[in-house]
Amino acid sequence: EPEVTQTPSHQVTQMGQEVILRCVPISNHLYFYWYRQILGQKVEFLVSFYNNEISEKSEIFDDQFSVERPDGSNFTLKIRSTKLEDSAMYFCASSELIRNEQFFGPGTRLTVL
Amino acid sequence: KNEVEQSPQNLTAQEGEFITINCSYSVGISALHWLQQHPGGGIVSLFMLSSGKKKHGRLIATINIQEKHSSLHITASHPRDSAVYICAVRPYYGGSQGNLIFGKGTKLSVKP
Repeated sequence: EPEVTQTPSHQVTQMGQEVILRCVPISNHLYFYWYRQILGQKVEFLVSFYNNEISEKSEIFDDQFSVERPDGSNFTLKIRSTKLEDSAMYFCASSELIRNEQFFGPGTRLTVL
Repeated sequence: KNEVEQSPQNLTAQEGEFITINCSYSVGISALHWLQQHPGGGIVSLFMLSSGKKKHGRLIATINIQEKHSSLHITASHPRDSAVYICAVRPYYGGSQGNLIFGKGTKLSVKP
């Protein structure tokens, strides 16, 4: 059964460093998403991506964040200069169409020291 | 203001019990999702529904659009059902669909 994959599973970085979180969505899906879950809190929407451009983004997704689909399979989230408060679980998801069910990856736990 | 409210926040049950988790929301929606988050953190989609009822194995999800309420039922609960169950809605704003809004989750623990 096709699934969304994410790497790495856990990333530890120093404050101010750049990190890139990687996702491979399900191959025939057209919509891609990033979500964040700070420990003990609810999941929050960050950004959606369709047709090689951002379709929606939340207030959280400021200039420190960027997304890219560098090739036909990967979908990346870059945090340019990490802050302590960026420590969270980051989930990638994909769906065939915007109104369809979303399939989530296993998440990347980002720890900023 | 929480647009998606779940109850209860925590639920402990004995193996075999029938379990109900509730979700209420305050916005117009195009769909509602029930998700399961395992202790390791991974999220699995259980259901997406916009009306009526869906069943998958021992899981049943219902939604009442008029009352803005959904329930997730687990029949014959088992310790492996222990997880956090999350309700998420896709709001519908004047002809366009918004992005998922999540509830805080219900932590279920099923004791053997």
